[in-house]
Amino acid sequence: DQQVKQNSPSLSVQEGRISILNCDYTNSMFDYFLWYKKYPAEGPTFLISISSIKDKNEDGRFTVFLNKSAKHLSLHIVPSQPGDSAVYFCAASAVNTGFQKLVFGTGTRLLVSP
Amino acid sequence: DSGVTQTPKHLITATGQRVTLRCSPRSGDLSVYWYQQSLDQGLQFLIQYYNGEERAKGNILERFSAQQFPDLHSELNLSSLELGDSALYFCASSAADRGQETQYFGPGTRLLVL
Repeated sequence: DQQVKQNSPSLSVQEGRISILNCDYTNSMFDYFLWYKKYPAEGPTFLISISSIKDKNEDGRFTVFLNKSAKHLSLHIVPSQPGDSAVYFCAASAVNTGFQKLVFGTGTRLLVSP
Repeated sequence: DSGVTQTPKHLITATGQRVTLRCSPRSGDLSVYWYQQSLDQGLQFLIQYYNGEERAKGNILERFSAQQFPDLHSELNLSSLELGDSALYFCASSAADRGQETQYFGPGTRLLVL
């Protein structure tokens, strides 16, 4: 049972444009969401997170939006840069129930072309 | 650099063998998590330790075990290895075991079972 889903395995965007990566979840107990970026042969790198009490969090070029009623979150990267090309993982946890383990989606490979 | 270190980086072994993967958390972090990433899969949570004690278990096989030592480093022991155990094994750490703590990942150990 895939509780966190990233339905787009890949996304191609031109440099300077917006990249939008989507993530859906099924478990209503999830209350903390994170995005990680992963380059080949490296571990996931933390990008940005959002608590379920918020609907938006922004950090530089990265913005995460959370729609709790739709159980959907998205990561916006503006403007996209070639160095953003990587696999992006959405992850969720239910910290208020004492579970800090992260449940990951299967990732979306972003390719930003010059 | 996340501050989480993992050794070895690569490991090649045969079926039936036993291996030990090592992780050192970020300075000051008390929680350690282990995740497995198989081919074309997202990261799957295996087990969490906090300050030397097991905190949570995921879908960890009985052939696998882990521990966290007084100096807070952790080891994941994989025994009676099978071909299907070939995967990337990541360790992550966070400061505590409660609340919305960000997990920081190490570079991973790539295990190949032949």
